[in-house]
Amino acid sequence: AQTVTQSQPEMSVQEAETVTLSCTYDTSENNYYLFWYKQPPSRQMILVIRQEAYKQQNATENRFSVNFQKAAKSFSLKISDSQLGDTAMYFCAFMTGHGSSNTGKLIFGQGTTLQVKP
Amino acid sequence: GAGVSQTPSNKVTEKGKYVELRCDPISGHTALYWYRQSLGQGPEFLIYFQGTGAADDSGLPNDRFFAVRPEGSVSTLKIQRTERGDSAVYLCASSFVGQGVDNEQFFGPGTRLTVL
Repeated sequence: AQTVTQSQPEMSVQEAETVTLSCTYDTSENNYYLFWYKQPPSRQMILVIRQEAYKQQNATENRFSVNFQKAAKSFSLKISDSQLGDTAMYFCAFMTGHGSSNTGKLIFGQGTTLQVKP
Repeated sequence: GAGVSQTPSNKVTEKGKYVELRCDPISGHTALYWYRQSLGQGPEFLIYFQGTGAADDSGLPNDRFFAVRPEGSVSTLKIQRTERGDSAVYLCASSFVGQGVDNEQFFGPGTRLTVL
């Protein structure tokens, strides 16, 4: 069975600084997808960034980037130039499959609460 | 356009009662997912619909939980004989097609269920 582990329950960072959130996962699959979701107090889950396992290049979305280490089964999220609006709970998630075999089922980690301080 | 909506936003019920939670997906999305999120935890998968049929219901915890999507759009999660342990936020998500990496799941705001 696939598992996702986030070992940092809480993190804080000063506004404009950089912070890295950790995530490790366990799977025997070769083709899969990894995601980072943001959940603010409003409860609305928002996709931040995603990575296809078959791509070696790390995904980047504006101030958000990932460090994907497939052999180590590690998928960390780096937030640059942190903003007050980044304060939220962040979840790492895993999805098996590729193409037509993709089940669509997301497996989430326990989450990391990030507070950005002014 | 409108996002995924869920009603009610909050539901308080007594132990042993029956509840229904509703999810309206984004128009045109063929795949629909239900997740349950306990306090301080990540969401846990419950069930996945492709169209009207449940393609994967492996996450439903027991036979008190049931979900339907009769016309391939709105879905209802039904919980019989509720227990205090059922208290959680129930999240719904939809995507255009259930297969393929680019089919991002769009989440609703959830229904917070409290069983007294």
